[in-house]
Amino acid sequence: EDQVTQSPEALRLQEGESSSLNCSYTVSGLRGLFWYRQDPGKGPEFLFTLYSAGEEKEKERLKATLTKKESFLHITAPKPEDSATYLCAVQEITNDYKLSFGAGTTVTVRA
Amino acid sequence: EPEVTQTPSHQVTQMGQEVILRCVPISNHLYFYWYRQILGQKVEFLVSFYNNEISEKSEIFDDQFSVERPDGSNFTLKIRSTKLEDSAMYFCASTRDRANEQFFGPGTRLTVL
Repeated sequence: EDQVTQSPEALRLQEGESSSLNCSYTVSGLRGLFWYRQDPGKGPEFLFTLYSAGEEKEKERLKATLTKKESFLHITAPKPEDSATYLCAVQEITNDYKLSFGAGTTVTVRA
Repeated sequence: EPEVTQTPSHQVTQMGQEVILRCVPISNHLYFYWYRQILGQKVEFLVSFYNNEISEKSEIFDDQFSVERPDGSNFTLKIRSTKLEDSAMYFCASTRDRANEQFFGPGTRLTVL
């Protein structure tokens, strides 16, 4: 059973059209939830860490939120440079701090 | 800004050959990881390393794989006898505090022919 499920798989947006990405997780105990951005052929680039339900983090046009079962990454007024694959990963309390990743949401922002 | 570096960026090898992928983690980090990503698939954990020993390894990390920190800066992943299915992007990551975010390198694309 997948621990991390991201939806949608792909998202095409017009520049300025705000939207949200979903990350649902099933773990026995959450130590932390991490959002990364990945450009084609590159390594994941760290964006946010969320540790407890109700927590929110913001950076430029991105805002991440966390509940007990899911996290959302909100993209406000996106620009073409926000085009990337956004990865969600969880760190479980029972695991030795490894990250378990979802399959990602590929966002394309058209000018 | 400090960053994780990896060499080579692309490695092509014949099936059955040994390869060594190299990483230089961020200098004051203590915990080191290898992940891989087969084309079009999820990023998968391979192994974690702390205090000169393996902390955890996945089912993927079988006897054909080994890791080493030969000096104070390098962290290597060796595959003894490569298989076609080892073709993937291999990412090194490091962190100072294992409960915090891991910082990833740019990856090595391994192609096994």
